[in-house]
Amino acid sequence: KNQVEQSPQSLIILEGKNCTLQCNYTVSPFSNLRWYKQDTGRGPVSLTIMTFSENTKSNGRYTATLDADTKQSSLHITASQLSDSASYICVVSAGGSQGNLIFGKGTKLSVKP
Amino acid sequence: SQTIHQWPATLVQPVGSPLSLECTVEGTSNPNLYWYRQAAGRGLQLLFYSVGIGQISSEVPQNLSASRPQDRQFILSSKKLLLSDSGFYLCAWKRGGAGEQFFGPGTRLTVL
Repeated sequence: KNQVEQSPQSLIILEGKNCTLQCNYTVSPFSNLRWYKQDTGRGPVSLTIMTFSENTKSNGRYTATLDADTKQSSLHITASQLSDSASYICVVSAGGSQGNLIFGKGTKLSVKP
Repeated sequence: SQTIHQWPATLVQPVGSPLSLECTVEGTSNPNLYWYRQAAGRGLQLLFYSVGIGQISSEVPQNLSASRPQDRQFILSSKKLLLSDSGFYLCAWKRGGAGEQFFGPGTRLTVL
């Protein structure tokens, strides 16, 4: 069964600190993995996309890693800001013409001053 | 550039009342369109997707239905809402293939 598991479920950190969010998946066939940021009451916005051959990808203070062998991905946030408070969703594409997407439940990050 | 709109932004409806949520996309043609529901504390659940006008695929049996009367318009409907229909409804679009899905701003539905 295709699944995406994220941890932790929620996280509270102080402004300026770093944090790492985890994503484990059992999806086959694998096409790509995306991390989305979803502000409260808004639609998700893509942060990074990684294909099978990519290990690391950065987008500003966000760095995603992918280990296709262990089927794990992480999202590292550096020097957190209050605006980083949001839910971060890991989404794995199972490929195919419809790009079948399997969504994780997300990690809710709260950055406190 | 492409934009996606949803309305209304919020909606409070009594149980048993009808529902119509609208989603429109601008700046692209023949997009794949999707309706998702996000319940509190849960991940996104795909409800319907459409690859063209009049073509609707349902992922989860329920009392909701979808229609695509125009190329860039996607409508989510119900004849009689249930309490369990409460949630955050997201519309998304993408080009064909395994590309990125772009999400709309969402509609918060509360059924009382």
